[in-house]
Amino acid sequence: EVVLTQSPGTLSLSPGERATLSCRASQSVRSSDLAWYQRRPGQAPRLLIYGTSSRATGIPDRFSGSGSGTDFTLTISRLEPEDSAVFYCQQYGSSVYTFGQGTKLEIK
Amino acid sequence: QLQLQESGPGLVKPSETLSLTCSVSGDSISSPYYWGWIRQPPGKGLEWIGNVYYSGNTFYNPSLESRVTISVDTSKNQFSVKVTAVTAADMAVYYCARFSGNYRFVEYWGQGTLVTVSS
Repeated sequence: EVVLTQSPGTLSLSPGERATLSCRASQSVRSSDLAWYQRRPGQAPRLLIYGTSSRATGIPDRFSGSGSGTDFTLTISRLEPEDSAVFYCQQYGSSVYTFGQGTKLEIK
Repeated sequence: QLQLQESGPGLVKPSETLSLTCSVSGDSISSPYYWGWIRQPPGKGLEWIGNVYYSGNTFYNPSLESRVTISVDTSKNQFSVKVTAVTAADMAVYYCARFSGNYRFVEYWGQGTLVTVSS
């Protein structure tokens, strides 16, 4: 099973700043099999990024994904108050899905 | 717009069976997608439980496979999960989900429902 480790655990930034969230895999993950989700308080998670770098429908271009192999990154530019949430990475491999433990983003 | 809604008992006794249903609206469950369940215990990360295809084919997380059954009811546009012999470790928010066409990721999530395990 692929273990995903996200860092940092918590990130506190101001509006307008850039957030960089990391997701490291215990073994190589195909780029097509890496996704990111956002879960705002009290809401269902929503898909942000799939296939490492493709934005889901309706996701603003402030959100971007990159990476390969074992290191993947979610970047959120020009932070807005509504970006406060927990972000999760997820991979699919060998018929098993695994998730990272999440990064909590706080907007000051 | 596709909507998923979980329902079922919020309290289950230890050693009993947890049963939840996901009602699908805005799409037919007979569409060629995988439908699945994911859970999150308090203070812990997300854990995939298993998926079912509209045809009834299933695949499960190996760590839970011996206790889990996921099924689809096309007549009601619903799918369900059963977890047998529950313990405190099964207490979690349970989400139902629809996976992408290539089943690599989750396109839609339900709101989630908390299941407490307690006598």
